[in-house]
Amino acid sequence: EAGVAQSPRYKIIEKRQSVAFWCNPISGHATLYWYQQILGQGPKLLIQFQNNGVVDDSQLPKDRFSAERLKGVDSTLKIQPAKLEDSAVYLCASSLDLSRRGIAYNEQFFGPGTRLTVL
Amino acid sequence: GIQVEQSPPDLILQEGANSTLRCNFSDSVNNLQWFHQNPWGQLINLFYIPSGTKQNGRLSATTVATERYSLLYISSSQTTDSGVYFCAVELEGGSQGNLIFGKGTKLSVKP
Repeated sequence: EAGVAQSPRYKIIEKRQSVAFWCNPISGHATLYWYQQILGQGPKLLIQFQNNGVVDDSQLPKDRFSAERLKGVDSTLKIQPAKLEDSAVYLCASSLDLSRRGIAYNEQFFGPGTRLTVL
Repeated sequence: GIQVEQSPPDLILQEGANSTLRCNFSDSVNNLQWFHQNPWGQLINLFYIPSGTKQNGRLSATTVATERYSLLYISSSQTTDSGVYFCAVELEGGSQGNLIFGKGTKLSVKP
């Protein structure tokens, strides 16, 4: 079974530029998450989707970050304009179905991440 | 206050040694997962363990939900065990699906 796919793996941009990251979850997984991991810290949730609807985006800096999952499968996270403090690894994760309880439905699996450097 | 606290922050072992990593959390949990982040940054699932004990090869984990802690045991450590170990919890009173991560334990296994 293929895991969570992300691209690109690395991105270097200048501040005030825009950037987009792509994620394809594990096949059949209804729930998709974007996390931000700053160097030396654990990941922090930015936004989560159930199919194509947003479940929680309370920690997403909406003045510059946006995300969508239009067809309920793959997702795009965008930053516009980027700031120096956005330098981090952006991790995508998926789980089978957040709306149901139990390990089969709620265990989250992570992709390899996109390492963003803002100069 | 701190919701997920891991200890120790750093650990250096000689190959073959055993170790115990600890995770304390501030509230009841719906979900608790242990991950290994390898030197290339990939988060690898180790255990999904909101309560009870599980074993997988040289690794085992125990969560005592009533006392709000979880332990990860690594036996006969190997150099490939090096990396950062994260505990992440979904708090019962928090947002569903929101895994809150600790700061991790950085493990270095020397040959």
